[in-house]
Amino acid sequence: GESVGLHLPTLSVQEGDNSIINCAYSNSASDYFIWYKQESGKGPQFIIDIRSNMDKRQGQRVTVLLNKTVKHLSLQIAATQPGDSAVYFCAESGSARQLTFGSGTQLTVLP
Amino acid sequence: EPEVTQTPSHQVTQMGQEVILRCVPISNHLYFYWYRQILGQKVEFLVSFYNNEISEKSEIFDDQFSVERPDGSNFTLKIRSTKLEDSAMYFCASSKQGMNEKLFFGSGTQLSVL
Repeated sequence: GESVGLHLPTLSVQEGDNSIINCAYSNSASDYFIWYKQESGKGPQFIIDIRSNMDKRQGQRVTVLLNKTVKHLSLQIAATQPGDSAVYFCAESGSARQLTFGSGTQLTVLP
Repeated sequence: EPEVTQTPSHQVTQMGQEVILRCVPISNHLYFYWYRQILGQKVEFLVSFYNNEISEKSEIFDDQFSVERPDGSNFTLKIRSTKLEDSAMYFCASSKQGMNEKLFFGSGTQLSVL
């Protein structure tokens, strides 16, 4: 069936380093993707989105890369800070007419 | 910055009781959603709502669930007869630019069914 999944459940990085969080999706009809950040006890917070007609999009300290050939999405966080520690979800929408979330990656920033 | 607000933050109820979860979406948004997240699991889609009607619903959203936009600001989720497995964090979301695009989420209501 259709699914959105993450390669690694946990990621630890040193403060100041760059972080890369990966996501695989299986629905070739997916045409819109979002990255969310979720801190403990809070709702998902929008980070950045990208449409399938693009392969890269940049925000403030974040970059999303989309590789439609291999159905892979990544979130790059530059100069990772302690406040970046959270669970990161990718989500996709397309033919399913709903936003489908992946299972999340826990990012821990080490001092 | 405008935000989606949800009340209550915690709700404890007995199995079989009705609960209503309340949400105030961002004021100029047109698309509304409910999601839920069981502890440690994915965020799961329940229902989307636009133009005063349900646009899409998941298998989870059975006859025990209903949504309503009773006025110009509130968006509610009702569970008629709660079950133990309804225990979860329920998130309301809204969006402006299109269905399923750039959703903004509230902080959630933690529902505990005893």
